[in-house]
Amino acid sequence: DAGVTQSPTHLIKTRGQHVTLRCSPISGHKSVSWYQQVLGQGPQFIFQYYEKEERGRGNFPDRFSARQFPNYSSELNVNALLLGDSALYLCASSQPGTRRVRAHEKLFFGSGTQLSVL
Amino acid sequence: TQLLEQSPQFLSIQEGENLTVYCNSSSVFSSLQWYRQEPGEGPVLLVTVVTGGEVKKLKRLTFQFGDARKDSSLHITAAQPGDTGLYLCAGERRGSEKLVFGKGTKLTVNP
Repeated sequence: DAGVTQSPTHLIKTRGQHVTLRCSPISGHKSVSWYQQVLGQGPQFIFQYYEKEERGRGNFPDRFSARQFPNYSSELNVNALLLGDSALYLCASSQPGTRRVRAHEKLFFGSGTQLSVL
Repeated sequence: TQLLEQSPQFLSIQEGENLTVYCNSSSVFSSLQWYRQEPGEGPVLLVTVVTGGEVKKLKRLTFQFGDARKDSSLHITAAQPGDTGLYLCAGERRGSEKLVFGKGTKLTVNP
């Protein structure tokens, strides 16, 4: 079975541009979470989606948005890019045991998209 | 202020040595997870601990959750070069949907 797939793997943008990152969860997983990992830091939670609804949002500005599609894949959009947005963006999928999504449900991470903003 | 403090930040040891890495907080967590991340890859879950005082073993790795559920440790026996990687702890706080990660311990095991 394929794991979590993310595209693109690497991306270079300039300040002010917009970017869309994509994630396909493991087949059968209905929850997708997005994390930002800046070099030398642990991942920081951005969003969580379950059954196409936003279930959690981290401390990120409104320039960051996401959505989940009927096939449970997801997109993360970042507008008006800043130099500080340079990071590894990780997508994780999970299959919650109940409708309420718990953070400690087993998360499966993709390899990430390395975004560089120049 | 980092909610989860991991120590040491860097650790370089020889193959066969034992080591312990720590994850500490002043907050109580309903569960805590340990991940290993290799360069260019996403984190891979090693273990989840839920009960205060819980000890879990995964081959040469031993994980402990503190009695007060504020801290955790990871002990590796007879480290091997394949154990090299970034070890991250992540905690879930009651009422929150998100995982909070520490900065990680970068472990290098030299042959």
